Amino acid sequence: QSALTQPASVSGSPGQSITISCTGANSDFGSYNLVSWFRQNPGKAPKVIIYEVTERPSGISHRFSGSRSGNTASLTISGLQAEDEADYYCCSYADGRWVFGGGTKLIVL
Amino acid sequence: QVQLVESGGGVVQPGRSLRLSCAASGFNFNDYGMHWVRQAPGKGLEWVALLWFDGRDEYYEDSVKGRFTITRDNSNNTLYLQMNSLTAEDSAVYYCGRDPMITGLIDLWGQGTLVTVSS
Repeated sequence: QSALTQPASVSGSPGQSITISCTGANSDFGSYNLVSWFRQNPGKAPKVIIYEVTERPSGISHRFSGSRSGNTASLTISGLQAEDEADYYCCSYADGRWVFGGGTKLIVL
Repeated sequence: QVQLVESGGGVVQPGRSLRLSCAASGFNFNDYGMHWVRQAPGKGLEWVALLWFDGRDEYYEDSVKGRFTITRDNSNNTLYLQMNSLTAEDSAVYYCGRDPMITGLIDLWGQGTLVTVSS
């Protein structure tokens, strides 16, 4: 199965908002709203920041939000901060399998 | 302390087997679905397998079906990944992660264990 498609990199200046897209085929998302987003800093384990498309786990800043339209899920980070620089991965469930996106490197200028 | 600790990684020859372990502590292991996710050096995350709370249902990524087996011992709070017929493409850091509702909310990850398949 192929990975979900994410842009290789996205950049923004402190204070700005950025959006990372995650696109897949119908079969990658199914009829479920089970899209998660993870942040990974170099040499560290991933950390969940969004689950079930729009939900934020306890302790995750309101600056992070998720959405989905058809076969594209999106992660928006508002009020960009230097510490947001990391790799971001989407992940979706469909029909008995989970699939990750290829990952997006967020560069804070 | 709430944590997951993987072990069992190492260097193994192509075609051989390896078993990874993931020891859970500080929470009720029985209440969580458990994933294995891997990451090849310099590459992205790749989901490998999922096992339900009670071990009843298991799911695998296509490339490992028939070669890898995910199991758990709830009495010892440990998750396993038996990996057979290993190839170079299986070389990666392997992470275990817990998922309370099996919705992709992988809210706790281990530190990972490195598997290198090489002759």
